[in-house]
Amino acid sequence: GAVVSQHPSWVICKSGTSVKIECRSLDFQATTMFWYRQFPKQSLMLMATSNEGSKATYEQGVEKDKFLINHASLTLSTLTVTSAHPEDSSFYICSARDLGQDAGTQYFGPGTRLLVL
Amino acid sequence: GQNIDQPTEMTATEGAIVQINCTYQTSGFNGLFWYQQHAGEAPTFLSYNVLDGLEEKGRFSSFLSRSKGYSYLLLKELQMKDSASYLCALMDSNYQLIWGAGTKLIIKP
Repeated sequence: GAVVSQHPSWVICKSGTSVKIECRSLDFQATTMFWYRQFPKQSLMLMATSNEGSKATYEQGVEKDKFLINHASLTLSTLTVTSAHPEDSSFYICSARDLGQDAGTQYFGPGTRLLVL
Repeated sequence: GQNIDQPTEMTATEGAIVQINCTYQTSGFNGLFWYQQHAGEAPTFLSYNVLDGLEEKGRFSSFLSRSKGYSYLLLKELQMKDSASYLCALMDSNYQLIWGAGTKLIIKP
């Protein structure tokens, strides 16, 4: 149980385009999902908390107009990187909180590697 | 505020035992998690402690002392595949995870 999928796993795009990443909880409902970014050899960095049916909460320094988050259902959250630039190239990882597990354990998707040329 | 400390890197030998420590300071506490992250992959959940004591799961065990703000992850019978980063994460009073920087564990034959 507690499986989270993420799609796509790899994206290569030109500068200026928008990229949409999907995060799905496959066997549980997740009212809360999280979006992280991780640069090579660095720690996980929380970008935003995605709440089903309401606006996402963004961490300080993360541009909400650039990283659009939609959590329209209990099993799906999407992150759209708008007008992507090379500095947005990173490993984007989502997690979903399973409230049926210990205080709401976060289970991670496999991640999406974004390369902006 | 909150603060989490864990060693940056540790080295151990295949077949041996290693203990990765995590100390924390927090005003609100709803548990402590350990995750494993292999290079280039997303983290995977290992363990959760909210009460003092030792939780054992096969070769991996996790310990918590709330009064000391201290946890450790114990890995027994080390295998080469255990080479990874181990992340300690604290769940605060708002049920948000506060992440440690991770400990890179290197296993040598």
